[in-house]
Formats: sequence, C-alpha cells, structure tokens
Amino acid sequence: AQSVTQPDIHITVSEGASLELRCNYSYGATPYLFWYVQSPGQGLQLLLKYFSGDTLVQGIKGFEAEFKRSQSSFNLRKPSVHWSDAAEYFCAVVLAGNNRKLIWGLGTSLGVNP
Amino acid sequence: NAGVTQTPKFQVLKTGQSMTLQCAQDMNHEYMSWYRQDPGMGLRLIHYSVGAGITDQGEVPNGYNVSRSTTEDFPLRLLSAAPSQTSVYFCASSYSASSSGANVLTFGAGSRLTVL
Repeated sequence: AQSVTQPDIHITVSEGASLELRCNYSYGATPYLFWYVQSPGQGLQLLLKYFSGDTLVQGIKGFEAEFKRSQSSFNLRKPSVHWSDAAEYFCAVVLAGNNRKLIWGLGTSLGVNP
Repeated sequence: NAGVTQTPKFQVLKTGQSMTLQCAQDMNHEYMSWYRQDPGMGLRLIHYSVGAGITDQGEVPNGYNVSRSTTEDFPLRLLSAAPSQTSVYFCASSYSASSSGANVLTFGAGSRLTVL
C-alpha cells in the first residue's frame, strides 16, 4: 500500500540550531511532494512543494527540502530554527496523475528550546 | 482576502443531534474538501468537491453528508452525531481540481467538535 512515513513523532531543538525533519514514501513512480506546517490551534499552511525539476526546493519561512529519488525521501531542513517554528509538520504525497489522493504522514511535532 | 472561513470554531453536541459545519472560501477555488484530524490518525479525507454540483466520498464518509450548491460554500452535515465523530474538522480548498496544483491546499482554522 502507498504510504508516507515521518519517523520522528517529536523533535526538540535549541533556538538557532539546524533542523532536519524526515519524510519517506513508498511509491514506484515519482510523486508530487508537499510539506505543510500547523501552528497550535491553526489550520495547515503550505511550506513548499516539489512537482519536477530541481530537487532542492525553497519554501516560505526559510525552509527548504530535498527530493532524493534513490532514497524515496523528501526531508525538510532549516539552517537556524526560531522559537516561532515550534509547530506540527506534515509531509504529504500524491502520485503524479492521480491528483485527488493526497497521502499524509502522521506529522512531526517540533519543540524549540530558548 | 478572508481565505477559507469555518464556523463554528467550537461545538458540543449530544449523541444523536445533528449539525452543520460551515465552510466558505472567497478565492474562487474549484476544489473543496473536508478533513478530520485525530491524534495518532493524522488527516483523513471525509468528502470533497471538484466544482459546484459535484461531490464525492473520501476515506471516511460514513455519518457525514455534503453539498456544493455554489463555488464558495461547502457545508458538512452530521446527521446523527456519535462520540466517534469527536474530532477537529478542517475545510481546505485549491484553485484547480485537475492540474498538478490541485493539491496545493488552503486550509481553514478548524472546527473542534465534541460529541457527548
């Protein structure tokens, strides 16, 4: 079955430290890839997306993600975390050509220590 | 722009009561959807619509009805509420129902429903 795995349920980093959140998917073909962020008590907001082309994509709030086909991964990174980045992060995948079926990861909760 | 507006933000129901969660978007988006979010279960698609007059079921449609009489509005109806429907509900929309950008979703702020 098609699935998206976010191996880390919760991560805590210090403010100013670098961050990498992992996302792996199980598809044979290259999917469309997304990262969304959910601040406490809010809806989800799109951080970045990958459809094709350059495998390193830039998003909002200083985030970037790299698509690695050989590892079936789409990890989210930020060089220096701010306290306001504390939130829940969701990776999502849709198989190219099947636009309606978004498969969501279960999310990674990010805590930031001052 | 208001984006996607959901009402109410909080609701408490008794088992067997009915209610409607409202969702409105002012972006002229073709695609609208309803999700529920539960701890440990992630986001699950309840129903979606690719345009006015067209709706379809998602992963967990049982116990919910939807309609799409206008492009702007996509209400979610609970016909006879059950404790299993206690959840946070999100409405989401996207500008296209058919292109690669169809999954670039704009979410509402959510509606927290408790069924006693």
